Amino acid sequence: DGGITQSPKYLFRKEGQNVTLSCEQNLNHDAMYWYRQDPGQGLRLIYYSQIVNDFQKGDIAEGYSVSREKKESFPLTVTSAQKNPTAFYLCASSTRTGHTDTQYFGPGTRLTVL
Amino acid sequence: GNSVTQMEGPVTLSEEAFLTINCTYTATGYPSLFWYVQYPGEGLQLLLKATKADDKGSNKGFEATYRKETTSFHLEKGSVQVSDSAVYFCAHTMDSNYQLIWGAGTKLIIKP
Repeated sequence: DGGITQSPKYLFRKEGQNVTLSCEQNLNHDAMYWYRQDPGQGLRLIYYSQIVNDFQKGDIAEGYSVSREKKESFPLTVTSAQKNPTAFYLCASSTRTGHTDTQYFGPGTRLTVL
Repeated sequence: GNSVTQMEGPVTLSEEAFLTINCTYTATGYPSLFWYVQYPGEGLQLLLKATKADDKGSNKGFEATYRKETTSFHLEKGSVQVSDSAVYFCAHTMDSNYQLIWGAGTKLIIKP
């Protein structure tokens, strides 16, 4: 079965700690994305990557970092510099053939800072 | 600039009622248009899409038509069920890259 997996589903972090959220896809997609969703709100783009070893900041990149060493994987690190990290984090992927591309989403990781 | 405006929720309907969720967009060029659905505690799922003017996307009884003249992509369903309760997001692509511009989402509540 092709798809996107995110782990863990729930994550708890103490203030001042860095934490890494996993995102893996076996859809052979070139592009991958990280979004943040706060309660009752829409999606905000954190980072995106169109190809291995390359990524760009989205609208709210401060306090986050990413890597794209493999096509299948796009982990997100929430650093201690992120002032309000409690949120629902969604990873997505898509092909890069053109503007009709559909983004496919993982199940999400809910991060809570204690 | 690019944007998507959705009707504010929550939208509360009785089972078997007719549903319309309005979506209008501002974009340059010829964007593709999408509706995604998010069930509680889950990620987003593509519901339907349309890639050019006058296209109609449809899935699971939901429909939306790409209206370039009114820059709209309203979501409709003839008879909603309790299981349709979710948050619905409208989005469009940008010409310049592969990003999506998202609406704020509309929460739909269907009562038995």
